[in-house]
Amino acid sequence: KAGVTQTPRYLIKTRGQQVTLSCSPISGHRSVSWYQQTPGQGLQFLFEYFSETQRNKGNFPGRFSGRQFSNSRSEMNVSTLELGDSALYLCASRIDIDNEQFFGPGTRLTVL
Amino acid sequence: DQQVKQNSPSLSVQEGRISILNCDYTNSMFDYFLWYKKYPAEGPTFLISISSIKDKNEDGRFTVFLNKSAKHLSLHIVPSQPGDSAVYFCAAETTAGSSNTGKLIFGQGTTLQVKP
Repeated sequence: KAGVTQTPRYLIKTRGQQVTLSCSPISGHRSVSWYQQTPGQGLQFLFEYFSETQRNKGNFPGRFSGRQFSNSRSEMNVSTLELGDSALYLCASRIDIDNEQFFGPGTRLTVL
Repeated sequence: DQQVKQNSPSLSVQEGRISILNCDYTNSMFDYFLWYKKYPAEGPTFLISISSIKDKNEDGRFTVFLNKSAKHLSLHIVPSQPGDSAVYFCAAETTAGSSNTGKLIFGQGTTLQVKP
C-alpha cells in the first residue's frame, strides 16, 4: 500500500498570504489528522477529520482551517500568514480510533 | 502544561547494547500510547503502541513497558543498531469520548545515537 502523501513538500510564502496544503491518506483510512512541528513548540495537533467532518480541533487560531473530501483526501488552509507559521506541517491517517496514526513526509512552509 | 514529557533530550549507546527511552505523562485519561521514530525533515514513523489495559508490548527488537501507577512508559531497543539513530517521540491519546479523537499529545523527543 502507498503511504500518506503530502503536497507540496516545500513552500515559501510571504506574510499576509494564504496557503493550502494537501494530504492523501493511505487507501482505506478514513481519519486524517494534521499537526504542526516547530523547534519551540514541538509537535502540536491542529485538527482531525473523519468522513468529511471535523471531529476535533487543537488550540490554533481560526486562520487555520481544513476540510476533507469524500475520497478522504484532506486539505488545510492557513490565511493571513505570519512569520510564526513557518513550520513542518504533518498529516497522519488511520482507519479510525484505536488504531495507530501513520504520518506523511510533511510540508515545510517558510513564511518570509 | 506539558502532559507528555521526555526528560532526556539525548541518549548515546554502543551498538549491540540496550537503549532505554523514557516518557512520563500527567493526564490519567490517556489510554493509548505510541512511540514514533523521526529523521529530520521527514514525518514520524510508527514503531510500537500499547493500550492502557496492558503493561507490555513487544515487536521484534522493540518493547514498550507501561507503568500506569507511575504514569511512566519506556521503550527498550535490543540490540541497538546504528540505523536506530534518530529522534524518538512518545505520544499519548485519549480514545474514549468523541471529542478526543485523533489528537495525539507528543513529548519533546529524545535523540538517540547508536555508536558503531
